[in-house]
Amino acid sequence: DVKVTQSSRYLVKRTGEKVFLECVQDMDHENMFWYRQDPGLGLRLIYFSYDVKMKEKGDIPEGYSVSREKKERFSLILESASTNQTSMYLCASSTLNTEAFFGQGTRLTVV
Amino acid sequence: QQPVQSPQAVILREGEDAVINCSSSKALYSVHWYRQKHGEAPVFLMILLKGGEQKGHDKISASFNEKKQQSSLYLTASQLSYSGTYFCGTEATGNQFYFGTGTSLTVIP
Repeated sequence: DVKVTQSSRYLVKRTGEKVFLECVQDMDHENMFWYRQDPGLGLRLIYFSYDVKMKEKGDIPEGYSVSREKKERFSLILESASTNQTSMYLCASSTLNTEAFFGQGTRLTVV
Repeated sequence: QQPVQSPQAVILREGEDAVINCSSSKALYSVHWYRQKHGEAPVFLMILLKGGEQKGHDKISASFNEKKQQSSLYLTASQLSYSGTYFCGTEATGNQFYFGTGTSLTVIP
């Protein structure tokens, strides 16, 4: 059974903290993505990676960074969490012209 | 670069039909469609590749007009289980994969 696993379902962090969201896939996919989902705004792409150590900005990269040191793992980093980063974060992976597989999401609350 | 979906929301009675549209400003390689139930991850429905083909299974089908960078999802004879939020996903150059703004579909008895 193929899987994309996100490290936490729920997280509560304080303003200014550095936050790491981890995503691991077991399908040997080249592409990995981080989205945030907010009501009425759909899924907005933050960053994606098409290979180890490669990354590209999506539509809303400000305040975020990513790391992909191994093919199966893609991390999203909030350098200094702010309340406007409270959201649902979804990781996905895919290979060319196939469906994207999603993790279960991490609901992050910044207080 | 996020594709735009319309309508934003629709309410149907069981057995009625619906069309959801997805429009992109970029040339596309493919369009995907997903459905998301509340509190769950999006689930893949189908993919349409460049070539203008129409796909479908059961009573859900979709078309892709690559010249207009548009896709439409057709739901016929809707069932209660069709309720959820529908997203289109678009692949353009450079492996970028963007999702649309979403369409909330509610089917009532």
